[in-house]
Amino acid sequence: QVQLQESGPGLVKPSETLSLTCTVSGDSISSYHWSWLRQPPGKGLEWIGHIHNTGSTNYSPSLKSRVTISMDTSESQFSLKLTSVTAADTAVYYCTKYNRGSYAFDIWGQGTMVTVSS
Amino acid sequence: DIVMTQSPDSLAVSLGERATINCKSSQSLLYNSNNKNYLAWYQQKPGQPPMVLVFWASTRQSGVPGRFSGSGSGTDFTLTISSLQAEDVATYYCQQYIGTVPTFGQGTKVEIK
Repeated sequence: QVQLQESGPGLVKPSETLSLTCTVSGDSISSYHWSWLRQPPGKGLEWIGHIHNTGSTNYSPSLKSRVTISMDTSESQFSLKLTSVTAADTAVYYCTKYNRGSYAFDIWGQGTMVTVSS
Repeated sequence: DIVMTQSPDSLAVSLGERATINCKSSQSLLYNSNNKNYLAWYQQKPGQPPMVLVFWASTRQSGVPGRFSGSGSGTDFTLTISSLQAEDVATYYCQQYIGTVPTFGQGTKVEIK
């Protein structure tokens, strides 16, 4: 069974870059597609982007200019970078497995809270 | 982007009673080439990540109790909990994936009456 664990700083200053890593265990990272989503405190879910097992990416148009998702198969990790952050980027960030068969996000990490504040 | 609207925002149901959550999309989620509706339902308990309950609008995820069922087609969908249990207290989200940008409803909070 695939398991996911997010890691990264819990506090980022405004205008700086938010960097998170998701470590995949239980199966090969190359076998699946992966996604990042986020959830501001008390609010709903927002998709940030996908990285396919080929390494190709898709991003939310609203974040596309600031987002990069990459994958390191040797470390079994995929990563999120979000530049020029503001308080509006404060959220719980989730890494997920995107199921190509069901098109659902079928496995989620526990999530990591990132606060943007000086 | 496709807008997903859930109703109600919250509901309180007695234990053992039926809970019904509605989800409406701004455009059809039915893909004609395979006759599938590209809609999923998730459950999120406080302090936990979401968990997928249903995909293709009506296919229950493995391990999900049979009291959860999804229905609907096109633009109107429903998640039904046939007999509410205490452990079903959560916020439920619908999500579409027919568009290039997956989008979620605003969530429906289910509580015990």
